[in-house]
Amino acid sequence: EAQVTQNPRYLITVTGKKLTVTCSQNMNHEYMSWYRQDPGLGLRQIYYSMNVEVTDKGDVPEGYKVSRKEKRNFPLILESPSPNQTSLYFCASSPNLGAGYTFGSGTRLTVV
Amino acid sequence: ILNVEQSPQSLHVQEGDSTNFTCSFPSSNFYALHWYRWETAKSPEALFVMTLNGDEKKKGRISATLNTKEGYSYLYIKGSQPEDSATYLCAPLAPGYALNFGKGTSLLVTP
Repeated sequence: EAQVTQNPRYLITVTGKKLTVTCSQNMNHEYMSWYRQDPGLGLRQIYYSMNVEVTDKGDVPEGYKVSRKEKRNFPLILESPSPNQTSLYFCASSPNLGAGYTFGSGTRLTVV
Repeated sequence: ILNVEQSPQSLHVQEGDSTNFTCSFPSSNFYALHWYRWETAKSPEALFVMTLNGDEKKKGRISATLNTKEGYSYLYIKGSQPEDSATYLCAPLAPGYALNFGKGTSLLVTP
């Protein structure tokens, strides 16, 4: 089944403890993105990648890192999480600029 | 960041009503316009991607039109059903920019 898989689905962590949210797609898509969704603010892009080893900042990149060492994987790294990073996170992928994105199931992160 | 506006913010209609929403975006430097449907507790799902001025796309009772010269797109739902209840997001794409989503129109269809 073609899909974008995110893990974990839910995570509660403490301030400052490094964490990684994984994202993997099995559709050989070139484009991958990370979004966060907060009430009243809609979906905001954190980082995106147009291909292996090519990443760029989105609208809200502060406090996040990403890597794209393989086409299928695009992990989101929070080196020192803070409570303002409590949010619902989505990973998404697309074959090209003219196609819609396929979204993962989301990761609900709480930083206390 | 591309400025994207969607209206109305929310809409409540009766089953069988037809409805439409608007997405406004900068008309300069345009590449594509995406529409997504996002049901509560699920992930956004792509409805349409449109690129050409005058484009019209249709999927069942849902259709969309695009005007790139004036920077707007309409999404229409004919004969709304309760299962159409969701938030509808638009996202313009311009070269050199990421895909930026509007805040969406939240649709509730009651029987």
